[in-house]
Amino acid sequence: NAGVTQTPKFRILKIGQSMTLQCTQDMNHNYMYWYRQDPGMGLKLIYYSVGAGITDKGEVPNGYNVSRSTTEDFPLRLELAAPSQTSVYFCASSYSRFGNQPQHFGDGTRLSIL
Amino acid sequence: KNEVEQSPQNLTAQEGEFITINCSYSVGISALHWLQQHPGGGIVSLFMLSSGKKKHGRLIATINIQEKHSSLHITASHPRDSAVYICAAPDGLTFGKGTHLIIQP
Repeated sequence: NAGVTQTPKFRILKIGQSMTLQCTQDMNHNYMYWYRQDPGMGLKLIYYSVGAGITDKGEVPNGYNVSRSTTEDFPLRLELAAPSQTSVYFCASSYSRFGNQPQHFGDGTRLSIL
Repeated sequence: KNEVEQSPQNLTAQEGEFITINCSYSVGISALHWLQQHPGGGIVSLFMLSSGKKKHGRLIATINIQEKHSSLHITASHPRDSAVYICAAPDGLTFGKGTHLIIQP
């Protein structure tokens, strides 16, 4: 049972480069989320999706884009990498949002922008 | 906006000690999620609870919805319990900053 799979685990980018963080889940969850985690701070929601074809902004969406073409996949795109985007990124999924079903997290992607 | 506050922020204890981590929130919610994050690792779900108490091994979570408070207890703590413990509302938006726990042998 793979759960939530994120790739890559580590990446170093130069300022201005672009990249896509991949996230896939095999639990048939409707809800998927992208978070960033900065030292000493709680998880911050970047974008989320309630199902294929539907995405919405979270707390800190600037500089990122997402798409949800299938239930399984929810990639996060950085178009013009900036040093402020250096962070650890987590993808998560859940069956529902406000109910009693827990979120399942990927192992994270550690991204450095130099 | 819901706020989630955890205490303490950092906790160092000796192996075998009973550990308590507290979580309080400002707005009424139906449930609370406890998560564990090991150094350099991913985040795993420990408990999702909406009332009373849940137990898994040496971990016990309690919640009082009316008082907007939850606690995570670890009995007979062990160095492998060293991790960051995070409480979160079930909205996918509201997370505490985490409690950094170190258990020394």
